[in-house]
Amino acid sequence: GENVEQHPSTLSVQEGDSAVIKCTYSDSASNYFPWYKQELGKGPQLIIDIRSNVGEKKDQRIAVTLNKTAKHFSLHITETQPEDSAVYFCAASISYGQNFVFGPGTRLSVLP
Amino acid sequence: EAGVTQSPTHLIKTRGQQATLRCSPISGHTSVYWYQQALGLGLQFLLWYDEGEERNRGNFPPRFSGRQFPNYSSELNVNALELEDSALYLCASSWSDEQFFGPGTRLTVL
Repeated sequence: GENVEQHPSTLSVQEGDSAVIKCTYSDSASNYFPWYKQELGKGPQLIIDIRSNVGEKKDQRIAVTLNKTAKHFSLHITETQPEDSAVYFCAASISYGQNFVFGPGTRLSVLP
Repeated sequence: EAGVTQSPTHLIKTRGQQATLRCSPISGHTSVYWYQQALGLGLQFLLWYDEGEERNRGNFPPRFSGRQFPNYSSELNVNALELEDSALYLCASSWSDEQFFGPGTRLTVL
């Protein structure tokens, strides 16, 4: 079955710097890759996603890149702010309706 | 538009008891997914319901079960509770690739 790895497990950056989180997946059939942000005491919130027919997607300060050949995808956050501090999860799924396989998460701390 | 709602927020049980957790999906969503998030760990897939049927289940014992009602709301039942069942149980709803999560139910087994 699918396996998703995520690095780093913790990441500290200064406010205004960029943060990059990387994930790799094992099943070449996976074609949908969402990223979630989870704040303390809350459920995960979808922040951006990418499908396998796209190499890059951007939404304001957040971008995701996908390399299908290498089977990895990355989350890029620019101009980080303290409110970006949270745990970020990547996930992969094969098709609509199939459950997501999540990475173990990255705890991002943005230092003021 | 209301998001995914879950009840109760917190639930405290003792070993051997049964727990029932509830989830109401976003209006128009027909799929409901249940995930377990143990402390400090990632999300593990439990169950997927769509149109009232169980479509898939994760690597959990049969004492984890559930159902989906005609209004697409869902219930997760955990029988014969064990200490290691203590976790945040998250429900997500979907009508396409995207899954939207509720705030979760924190289950504590004493």
